[in-house]
Amino acid sequence: NAGVTQTPKFQVLKTGQSMTLQCAQDMNHEYMSWYRQDPGMGLRLIHYSVGAGITDQGEVPNGYNVSRSTTEDFPLRLLSAAPSQTSVYFCASSYSVLGNNSPLHFGNGTRLTVT
Amino acid sequence: GENVEQHPSTLSVQEGDSAVIKCTYSDSASNYFPWYKQELGKRPQLIIDIRSNVGEKKDQRIAVTLNKTAKHFSLHITETQPEDSAVYFCAGWGDDKIIFGKGTRLHILP
Repeated sequence: NAGVTQTPKFQVLKTGQSMTLQCAQDMNHEYMSWYRQDPGMGLRLIHYSVGAGITDQGEVPNGYNVSRSTTEDFPLRLLSAAPSQTSVYFCASSYSVLGNNSPLHFGNGTRLTVT
Repeated sequence: GENVEQHPSTLSVQEGDSAVIKCTYSDSASNYFPWYKQELGKRPQLIIDIRSNVGEKKDQRIAVTLNKTAKHFSLHITETQPEDSAVYFCAGWGDDKIIFGKGTRLHILP
């Protein structure tokens, strides 16, 4: 199993550009989520999904969209990049279903810089 | 929703001494509390977790305690070693979301 795969590893965008961060998992996990990590701020939840076709907002959803058309994939879209979105982005998945929570498995992260 | 507070933000201990990191949570429905270790430039990795029906769990030099009444849980690392230097995150999982604390940077001094 490859686990959680994120692409790209690094990205530089100009203000106003759009892009999609890809996330795929091959563990048949129902739960998937996106976090951003900034110095001193920990891991903040952007969006999450409890299964295909279902998405919901986390702590910091503004400026980001997600979709979950398949169990395996959970892309994160930046609609119009801003310097405040410069961060490291982690995708994570878990087997958790209906309150039976289990550990998150993280991807290797995407380092995004917006100039 | 869930809110997780973590203290201290930085901790320095002599090699061989113990380290304790504390977290509090707000959602009484939270039932799962994992701890993650993140080394520089790498992804967070699970080191230990505890469920709400258990008060304490140990794995070699690492232990976690949970006090549901007070809504706090702690990570204990004994006989610290240089490789324990990292950032540690606690988290609370209730309902659909897992929320992380802001992290503790642990320095192991020679």
